[in-house]
Amino acid sequence: QQQVKQSPQSLIVQKGGISIINCAYENTAFDYFPWYQQFPGKGPALLIAIRPDVSEKKEGRFTISFNKSAKQFSLHIMDSQPGDSATYFCAASRDFGNEKLTFGTGTRLTIIP
Amino acid sequence: NAGVTQTPKFQVLKTGQSMTLQCAQDMNHNSMYWYRQDPGMGLRLIYYSASEGTTDKGEVPNGYNVSRLNKREFSLRLESAAPSQTSVYFCASSELVTASLYEQYFGPGTRLTVT
Repeated sequence: QQQVKQSPQSLIVQKGGISIINCAYENTAFDYFPWYQQFPGKGPALLIAIRPDVSEKKEGRFTISFNKSAKQFSLHIMDSQPGDSATYFCAASRDFGNEKLTFGTGTRLTIIP
Repeated sequence: NAGVTQTPKFQVLKTGQSMTLQCAQDMNHNSMYWYRQDPGMGLRLIYYSASEGTTDKGEVPNGYNVSRLNKREFSLRLESAAPSQTSVYFCASSELVTASLYEQYFGPGTRLTVT
């Protein structure tokens, strides 16, 4: 059972454009939503995270938008750069501090010059 | 500070063979995890350890066992490897960074092929 559905599976964006990756969840008990970035041959690394008490969180060029009623959240990468080319995973966990993450299936992002 | 280290980096097993994947962290974290990553499936939690001496099953525990040897080390054992266990295995540890952020730190992974 896929509790966190991620789309698209792959995405190609021109340099300087906006990359948008979407995730939807089913379990209303989820209360923590991180995004992880993974480069080829490496382990994932935390990019940005949000809790449901806010609708948006911004860190530099990366923004999470969160819609609790729709049970959806998304990652926006502004001014996308070739160095942003990586696989991005959304995730969710219940009972903040529980730390057992359920991951989406991943989005392979390619930024072209 | 090496973070999370895993050994080996690559391994090829024959069906039925056993092996142990080793993981260690030097960040003094209480929680540690084992995930497997398969194409199109994302990362799936195999086992989790909230502290030394405790372990808990994740989403896909069948065919695996774990040992939390001490606070630093968390090993994953395949008793009788099967081709379905061909995957990339990641170990991670985590810490609460702030009241609204906790972070999992991942190792570099072990690429396992079972023939």
